[in-house]
Order: sequence, then structure tokens, then C-alpha cells
Amino acid sequence: GENVEQHPSTLSVQEGDSAVIKCTYSDSASNYFPWYKQELGKRPQLIIDIRSNVGEKKDQRIAVTLNKTAKHFSLHITETQPEDSAVYFCAASAGGGADGLTFGKGTHLIIQP
Amino acid sequence: GAGVSQSPSNKVTEKGKDVELRCDPISGHTALYWYRQSLGQGLEFLIYFQGNSAPDKSGLPSDRFSAERTGGSVSTLTIQRTQQEDSAVYLCASSLDRGLLSYNEQFFGPGTRLTVL
Repeated sequence: GENVEQHPSTLSVQEGDSAVIKCTYSDSASNYFPWYKQELGKRPQLIIDIRSNVGEKKDQRIAVTLNKTAKHFSLHITETQPEDSAVYFCAASAGGGADGLTFGKGTHLIIQP
Repeated sequence: GAGVSQSPSNKVTEKGKDVELRCDPISGHTALYWYRQSLGQGLEFLIYFQGNSAPDKSGLPSDRFSAERTGGSVSTLTIQRTQQEDSAVYLCASSLDRGLLSYNEQFFGPGTRLTVL
């Protein structure tokens, strides 16, 4: 089955700086890669997703890049703000997200004022 | 409209008892998913439904876990003879089924926090 590794487990950055979180996956059949943000005590919420036929996708301060050959994808957050502090999870699916998602173990992003 | 809802929000039970967790998906969503999140861990896939059928039960950790979905809407996750290691937050999600070649965003519920004493 699919295995998703996520790094780092904790990331502390100064407000205004950029943050990068990286994930690798094992199943070459995976074709859908969402990123979820989970604030303390809240439910996970989708912030951006990408399919395997796209190399990069951007939404305002958030971007995701995908390297199918190397089987890794990354989340980039620019101009970080205090409200970006949360746990971020990457995930992978071989069914476009219609099947179950395999998640990474999460990255706790801390924005230092 | 209303999002995914789950009940109860918290459940404390004694080891060996059975528990039922309920999920109400977003109206019109044909796909429904159950995940488990242990303290400080990622989300672990348990089972998903397309309509009333469950194509993939591979994530259920043992035969003490079962789930059903009737009427293509509400789903119940049942854990029999609960053990302390079952303590976790159980999250439900739902999505529109746009097909395997499309984006199928999964919307999560608030979860049920299960504590087994």
C-alpha cells in the first residue's frame, strides 16, 4: 500500500518569511495530492490540492509543487502570518481522492512574531 | 449548507464495552470516509463508502471494527469490546464523487473523541 513521509515534524519561522514542507510517496499510481491544515481542536480543512498531470499550483500565498519522477511534493507558504500557525498534513490517493487518503504524520508550523 | 456532523462529540467508555459513532455527511455527497487520529499523530484511513457499499475495508484495524451506511447517507462506525488502544479521535469525511480523473475534495466533520478507560 501507499506510504507517505512528511518532513519536518516541526517548523518554526519568523513572521513574513517563507515556509516549506516536504512529502514523499511510494505508490507510483497515486494521482491526487491534497494538503490539509488543522488548527488545535479543529477539523482538518483542505488548503490546496494538485493532480499528477500538473507540476505546480498556486493560490495566493500558498503553492504546491509535484515531482512525479522523484515521487515527492512540497507545500510553500510565502509571507507567513500568525494565523498560518497550525499542523499541516500532506496526503496521497490513487483514486483522485475518491478513495481513502494516505496521510503524512503532519508538520507543526509555528510562526514567530 | 450544513457541513459534516458527527455524534457524540465525546465518548468515554469502559474497556470491553461496545460503542457506536455516527456521521451525517453533507447532503448529496455520495462518498463517505472514516479516519482515526491518535494523539499527536496523522490521520489513519479506516474505511470508505460509495453509496451504501464499502469498496475498501482494508484500513479497519481488527474485526472488532465495523461500519455500515444505509440510505446512502448516515454512517455508523461500531467498535466492539473496546480496548484502551482504541482511544483516539474518529473523523468522518464526505465528498462528491466526481470520478477517478477529477478532484474529489474530502470535507471533514469535527470528530468524536473516544476515551476507553
